[in-house]
Amino acid sequence: IAGITQAPTSQILAAGRRMTLRCTQDMRHNAMYWYRQDLGLGLRLIHYSNTAGTTGKGEVPDGYSVSRANTDDFPLTLASAVPSQTSVYFCASKTGADTDTQYFGPGTRLTVL
Amino acid sequence: GQNIDQPTEMTATEGAIVQINCTYQTSGFNGLFWYQQHAGEAPTFLSYNVLDGLEEKGRFSSFLSRSKGYSYLLLKELQMKDSASYLCAGLDSNYQLIWGAGTKLIIKP
Repeated sequence: IAGITQAPTSQILAAGRRMTLRCTQDMRHNAMYWYRQDLGLGLRLIHYSNTAGTTGKGEVPDGYSVSRANTDDFPLTLASAVPSQTSVYFCASKTGADTDTQYFGPGTRLTVL
Repeated sequence: GQNIDQPTEMTATEGAIVQINCTYQTSGFNGLFWYQQHAGEAPTFLSYNVLDGLEEKGRFSSFLSRSKGYSYLLLKELQMKDSASYLCAGLDSNYQLIWGAGTKLIIKP
């Protein structure tokens, strides 16, 4: 692995189903982020984690949950998917220095029907 | 509130120069980032400015005026591969990025 990986690449999901998007980084970065990107809108922060064992809510956290059991993994769970959660989801990480650059994974395209 | 404004779309000619503007309003300010995003791909880092002035990096330069809440990205000697969206993002007082909606740059031969 080099950098950040996300899985799955894309998914079609029935409304009401539970779904976990996976994100793994091998750069030993402390901070990790989940964003959603919708047409005509900027990236919006869902949840973040400044270090393993801690998480925080971003701008649009409702309907999503995260965990950070270790440095490398930061899964995002949709407990009961709704069509408004159709989006492209990006995971990102940075070293933890406040002004450091965020590096992005390739994204997961999720469609909720 | 926090806000990042940038044009939705711009068109330029191969070989020319284009300037993409960004105005920002953030609670606190810890710098301004520019990212490039090709269609269907992840954003990739271009530049970071925290002090006023111009930072040059090859064909790309980024400018910041903190007093005006303004930045621009300057792309010289445009190539077809520069066709992409360019995202402006301000780092707020909590060191979280506030993102603009992106400027789609179309390069014509």
